[in-house]
Amino acid sequence: DQQVKQNSPSLSVQEGRISILNCDYTNSMFDYFLWYKKYPAEGPTFLISISSIKDKNEDGRFTVFLNKSAKHLSLHIVPSQPGDSAVYFCAASEAGGTSYGKLTFGQGTILTVHP
Amino acid sequence: KAGVTQTPRYLIKTRGQQVTLSCSPISGHRSVSWYQQTPGQGLQFLFEYFSETQRNKGNFPGRFSGRQFSNSRSEMNVSTLELGDSALYLCASSSAGTDNSPLHFGNGTRLTVT
Repeated sequence: DQQVKQNSPSLSVQEGRISILNCDYTNSMFDYFLWYKKYPAEGPTFLISISSIKDKNEDGRFTVFLNKSAKHLSLHIVPSQPGDSAVYFCAASEAGGTSYGKLTFGQGTILTVHP
Repeated sequence: KAGVTQTPRYLIKTRGQQVTLSCSPISGHRSVSWYQQTPGQGLQFLFEYFSETQRNKGNFPGRFSGRQFSNSRSEMNVSTLELGDSALYLCASSSAGTDNSPLHFGNGTRLTVT
């Protein structure tokens, strides 16, 4: 039972354009969502998060959108840079979840940004 | 501020052996969580420790255990290793406040069981 799904295994984008990574979830108890970036042989690096009381959060080139009725969130990267090429994971936690260290992860999307 | 440190980075063990992995959290972080990453199952939550107590546990067999010390450092132990235990084991720490805060991950220990 995969509660967090990233249906696109890979995404290829030209440098300078927008990258849009998508994530769907099924658990209605999830109320905090995060995006992580992972390079090979390294641990996931936190990018940006959003609480269920918001529908948008921005941090520099990264924006996360949350649509609770559709149980869908997306990460927008504008403009995309070659250094953004990595695996991106969507993760979610239930109320109080991160205070208990428990995240449920999607399977990841490999983003490739071409110069 | 130093990040989450995991040792060793790589480990090769034989089936039936046991292994202990170590994790030092970010200074001031009191919660330490462990995750297993495999190609087939992705990133899965193992357990979380806070103030030397296991506070939350994932769906893994009892062969997987851990502990936390008074300085918040944590160890994870896997007994009677199986081939399927080959994975990247990740440790994460957080401030574990009452509000949501992100987990910060170490670079992991790559365990190979032969």
